[in-house]
Amino acid sequence: NAGVTQTPKFQVLKTGQSMTLQCAQDMNHEYMSWYRQDPGMGLRLIHYSVGAGITDQGEVPNGYNVSRSTTEDFPLRLLSAAPSQTSVYFCASSPRVTGTLGSNQPQHFGDGTRLSIL
Amino acid sequence: DAKTTQPTSMDCAEGRAANLPCNHSTISGNEYVYWYRQIHSQGPQYIIHGLKNNETNEMASLIITEDRKSSTLILPHATLRDTAVYYCIVRVSAGGTSYGKLTFGQGTILTVHP
Repeated sequence: NAGVTQTPKFQVLKTGQSMTLQCAQDMNHEYMSWYRQDPGMGLRLIHYSVGAGITDQGEVPNGYNVSRSTTEDFPLRLLSAAPSQTSVYFCASSPRVTGTLGSNQPQHFGDGTRLSIL
Repeated sequence: DAKTTQPTSMDCAEGRAANLPCNHSTISGNEYVYWYRQIHSQGPQYIIHGLKNNETNEMASLIITEDRKSSTLILPHATLRDTAVYYCIVRVSAGGTSYGKLTFGQGTILTVHP
């Protein structure tokens, strides 16, 4: 039972380079999201998706793109890396339960990608 | 989402109960209280959540005051492996195209010592 899998675990980039952080979940969860965590701070939401083909911005979306072509995958793209994007990135997923109260299901997190940009 | 206030750090002796408080005085009627923890270098781990009733699972108990303005997470028999940052979060239930996002604050650093 893999849960939420993030790759790579570590990455070093040069300023201006692009890369894609991968996130995959095998729990058939509708909701997926990306957070970043900077030293001494809590997690901040970058982008999220409520289902395949649907994405929206979180609180710190600038410099990042996402797409959701399948339920399982939710990649995060850095188009032109900047040193300010040095951080630990976490992907999370949760199920969507149909009902009058919506979904209060907890989110499951991956183990993170540690990204350094020089 | 309502803002939460937690102590910056707490200590607990191994084998004793750890009681972590959280204030959420502006919580709305449709907001749940969630607790997550983050052990060093790992992703956040879900612990427990509740709306207005006390909850218990294999990891912890959650006590929510009657006015819902504060709550306490209880780890009944803390171990060294419970040393982590504990986050109290209030979150609107997700529904339709509304994503019930989590807003993480600074959390409480719990240190369990021998």
